Amino acid sequence: QVQLQESGPGLVKPSQTLSLTCTVSGGSINSGTYYWSWIRQHPGKGPEWMGYISHSGSTYYNPSLKSRITISVDTSKNQFSLKLSSVTAADTAIYYCARDDFYYIDYWGQGTLVTVSS
Amino acid sequence: SSELTQDPAVSVALGQTVRITCQGDSLKSYYANWYQQKPGQAPILVIYNSNNRPSGIPDRFSGSSSGNTASLTITGAQAQDDADYYCNSRDISGSHPDWVFGGGTKLTVL
Repeated sequence: QVQLQESGPGLVKPSQTLSLTCTVSGGSINSGTYYWSWIRQHPGKGPEWMGYISHSGSTYYNPSLKSRITISVDTSKNQFSLKLSSVTAADTAIYYCARDDFYYIDYWGQGTLVTVSS
Repeated sequence: SSELTQDPAVSVALGQTVRITCQGDSLKSYYANWYQQKPGQAPILVIYNSNNRPSGIPDRFSGSSSGNTASLTITGAQAQDDADYYCNSRDISGSHPDWVFGGGTKLTVL
């Protein structure tokens, strides 16, 4: 059973960079044809896909975030990471990492709340 | 980007059948998936590729699709089905297939 766990600061100051890491267990990030996604959810709203990375490092980002987002992978640690620059209060949300089968998203982390505030 | 539209709220009497719908242009080209989310928890995949149930999902959950509309049906709703339900699919409007989610339907089991 694949499990994903987000980690990182729960509080980020405006204009700074939000950084989160997702650790994958129960399966190798290198195996298969999966993509590894970051998804966020603002309170009371539907999830918003942010971007994903393949095991080979190919990335695809939501156009609305493209200038601020970077996703990277560390296969040696079975982790992938999210950086979101120049954050504002509008980036306050629950951030999830997830495994993407291309046709569906089958495993999600438990989510981590990130608050942007001074 | 494309949008997926869901009714904000639906209610169903305990043991009855309820259908939750999702509309969007992307559904003409890509299958819908459905996720259940309870307060404070991550979404759980309950239907994938329009009408397939992952292992462990009760068979009272089923999915269907026609044209630009996908549906999630719960036959014999249980109290534990009280949750938010989100549809999603690939988004065809850009140069690369991204993901799009619906705004969610809050299901209340009475």
